[in-house]
Amino acid sequence: KAGVTQTPRYLIKTRGQQVTLSCSPISGHRSVSWYQQTPGQGLQFLFEYFSETQRNKGNFPGRFSGRQFSNSRSEMNVSTLELGDSALYLCASSLWAGRSDYGYTFGSGTRLTVV
Amino acid sequence: KNQVEQSPQSLIILEGKNCTLQCNYTVSPFSNLRWYKQDTGRGPVSLTIMTFSENTKSNGRYTATLDADTKQSSLHITASQLSDSASYICVVSDVNSGYSTLTFGKGTMLLVSP
Repeated sequence: KAGVTQTPRYLIKTRGQQVTLSCSPISGHRSVSWYQQTPGQGLQFLFEYFSETQRNKGNFPGRFSGRQFSNSRSEMNVSTLELGDSALYLCASSLWAGRSDYGYTFGSGTRLTVV
Repeated sequence: KNQVEQSPQSLIILEGKNCTLQCNYTVSPFSNLRWYKQDTGRGPVSLTIMTFSENTKSNGRYTATLDADTKQSSLHITASQLSDSASYICVVSDVNSGYSTLTFGKGTMLLVSP
């Protein structure tokens, strides 16, 4: 079965612009989580969506937002980009929200570079 | 505050040798611990998962151990191969009111040299 698909794989944006990233979960999975990964901080949790509702949120500014559609696909948006937003953005899908025993399957990520 | 510390930060070993990666955590209440392998430019892939009652779990040449009393875990790689070069991330889950959250270590970068 198809894995978690993230698009685009690479993005270059200018400071002040906004960007939208997309994540299609494994078929049947209803939870999508988003993470930011940088060399210095490792993986940091952004938010988790389940049934089109945000179920949990990490400690990121309001410039970072997301949504989930009825088919479980999710998008995250970053507005007013800053150089520090350059990172690998990963999404992970799971059958259920907040159930680590079900496991999380990660996509390959979107590499965002802000110049 | 929940924390996961991994050591060493990076490691270089010769192909065919064994190595052990460490993970110490202060996560409560503990639910489970996973080790992930992340190849460069790819997403993490789960290697093992252990709950409180399990102290050893193997996946091919990868063997993870868990000491829930000392809150330590290790990942042992046997007969390393070039393809083992990757970042290895320890992830610990807690559970509060039925909802799990994940705490990630920063990873150990392993380079297997020919």
